[in-house]
Amino acid sequence: TQLLEQSPQFLSIQEGENLTVYCNSSSVFSSLQWYRQEPGEGPVLLVTVVTGGEVKKLKRLTFQFGDARKDSSLHITAAQPGDTGLYLCAGERGDDKIIFGKGTRLHILP
Amino acid sequence: NAGVTQTPKFQVLKTGQSMTLQCAQDMNHEYMSWYRQDPGMGLRLIHYSVGAGITDQGEVPNGYNVSRSTTEDFPLRLLSAAPSQTSVYFCATRGYGNQPQHFGDGTRLSIL
Repeated sequence: TQLLEQSPQFLSIQEGENLTVYCNSSSVFSSLQWYRQEPGEGPVLLVTVVTGGEVKKLKRLTFQFGDARKDSSLHITAAQPGDTGLYLCAGERGDDKIIFGKGTRLHILP
Repeated sequence: NAGVTQTPKFQVLKTGQSMTLQCAQDMNHEYMSWYRQDPGMGLRLIHYSVGAGITDQGEVPNGYNVSRSTTEDFPLRLLSAAPSQTSVYFCATRGYGNQPQHFGDGTRLSIL
């Protein structure tokens, strides 16, 4: 059972467009993390959100944690080819374990 | 700084063979985890440790054993390899609190 549902699984858009990736669950998490993974490498942490309703920005990337701490979103403004990659959300449960969604494979076309 | 070191990077096994995937960290992190990554499945937690001498099962523990005799090392053992265990295995570590999780570069394992 995948406790974290990530959508879409695949997204291919033109350079300059905006996009949003969603991470949803029926469970409450103490924190939610977003990672980016390049081929042949391990995931690299982009951001951790902890407080319900929290918004964090990383250049053109905006991350939001839902008020109930069950969902999160990643919004990319004016996507660039360098944003291409696999984006993973992960939630920290009450037992300290961190579980992942299935990931969103993003391809930005020049 | 080495960070999280996984060995080997690649391995091919025959069905029924056993092997140990090594994970070593030099960051003095309490938490260590093993994940497997399969196409379209994201990362699934196999086993987990909150400190030396303490381990717990994750989402997909069957067929795998772990131990944590030291803070630095967290080996993952396959007792009798099966083709379904063909995957990329990642070790991750983090400190207490909302500390970032650091991943190794992975071990690519094929079971024939």
